[in-house]
Amino acid sequence: QKEVEQDPGPLSVPEGAIVSLNCTYSNSAFQYFMWYRQYSRKGPELLMYTYSSGNKEDGRFTAQVDKSSKYISLFIRDSQPSDSATYLCAMSPGGSQGNLIFGKGTKLSVKP
Amino acid sequence: GAGVSQSPSNKVTEKGKDVELRCDPISGHTALYWYRQSLGQGLEFLIYFQGNSAPDKSGLPSDRFSAERTGGSVSTLTIQRTQQEDSAVYLCASSLLMAGNTIYFGEGSWLTVV
Repeated sequence: QKEVEQDPGPLSVPEGAIVSLNCTYSNSAFQYFMWYRQYSRKGPELLMYTYSSGNKEDGRFTAQVDKSSKYISLFIRDSQPSDSATYLCAMSPGGSQGNLIFGKGTKLSVKP
Repeated sequence: GAGVSQSPSNKVTEKGKDVELRCDPISGHTALYWYRQSLGQGLEFLIYFQGNSAPDKSGLPSDRFSAERTGGSVSTLTIQRTQQEDSAVYLCASSLLMAGNTIYFGEGSWLTVV
């Protein structure tokens, strides 16, 4: 079992839809959870960052972490064509550990 | 500059040649990372530098890969005797050493080995 599992999609939704993206993980030591958005031929950009369990909201984006289930989600409300990108979850135990563990990314397409 | 800068942005090289990829991190960021992203794959950790500490090289796939960071700033990733399976995007990232490892990526160096 990989440390982080993420459905690669592709996921296609109509404009205005609510999008749900998810990752599961196996390492209970993970404390820091991030979502990155990557447009085609660009580097990933940090979208949301959450420490431990709970919810975090930023505009149309909401990140949820359920450590008991080892499950994290990103919700996008009122999706726009400009949201079309690959979304990568990432996580780490934090502290002195250097590297993030990434999911493979979910490719999202929002159709006008 | 304001962001992580990488060069070259694109590189086509012949199998067997050596290549060097450069990364200039965000000013003041003490941590620097190299990742590799192959087509249809997630990001694969390669190496991590943190200040004056010994680098974490646990992700380097073979001894053909090496990296150095001079003066705690610019880093160079070197791939010797390139193989076709080395074709990928090589992403550099940097961060402050703060809780959460929030890292910021460059645009990547797109390497094609022919």
